[in-house]
Amino acid sequence: AQKITQTQPGMFVQEKEAVTLDCTYDTSDQSYGLFWYKQPSSGEMIFLIYQGSYDEQNATEGRYSLNFQKARKSANLVISASQLGDSAMYFCAMKGYDRDDKIIFGKGTRLHILP
Amino acid sequence: DAGVTQSPTHLIKTRGQQVTLRCSPISGHKSVSWYQQVLGQGPQFIFQYYEKEERGRGNFPDRFSARQFPNYSSELNVNALLLGDSALYLCASSLLGWGLGNTEAFFGQGTRLTVV
Repeated sequence: AQKITQTQPGMFVQEKEAVTLDCTYDTSDQSYGLFWYKQPSSGEMIFLIYQGSYDEQNATEGRYSLNFQKARKSANLVISASQLGDSAMYFCAMKGYDRDDKIIFGKGTRLHILP
Repeated sequence: DAGVTQSPTHLIKTRGQQVTLRCSPISGHKSVSWYQQVLGQGPQFIFQYYEKEERGRGNFPDRFSARQFPNYSSELNVNALLLGDSALYLCASSLLGWGLGNTEAFFGQGTRLTVV
């Protein structure tokens, strides 16, 4: 069975600082994908970044990067130069590539950016 | 291009009633998945439909059903509503139904269902 663990229920970070959101996962699949989503109070789940299990380089998308350590089964999200608009709930998620598109989510980390 | 659109955005129903939620995927996307997100939790997978066929089903009772139409839009139906069905219902669309090339999953803004 697949499982995502996010151990930080909430974080407070000063504006313009970098922040790392932790994520560990468990799976017996050989091939899988890891995602990070941002969910503001409006409720929409906004796709941030994707990392495939066979990708050798860490994924980056603008201010977002994914620190992928396969042996440790961790997929931490790094946000550089945080902004007030980054305040939201962040979810780490994964899916295998069996026969369906099911995404397994963690419980999330609520990030607060302080001015 | 329009993203994933869901309707309605908010809904209040009484226990025992039935509800239908709607989702239109991104143009060209053939896969639609439904998720339930109760307050304080991450989303839980309910169904996936690809090319009008059910590809996956989560651990939800038979009161939950869904279907996909020829234009790839989808409906989620919930019968005999319980207070515990109160949640944000999210729809996700992706180009492919599964497989290593399926690296995207885009979500709609959700339908917030309150059962009273």
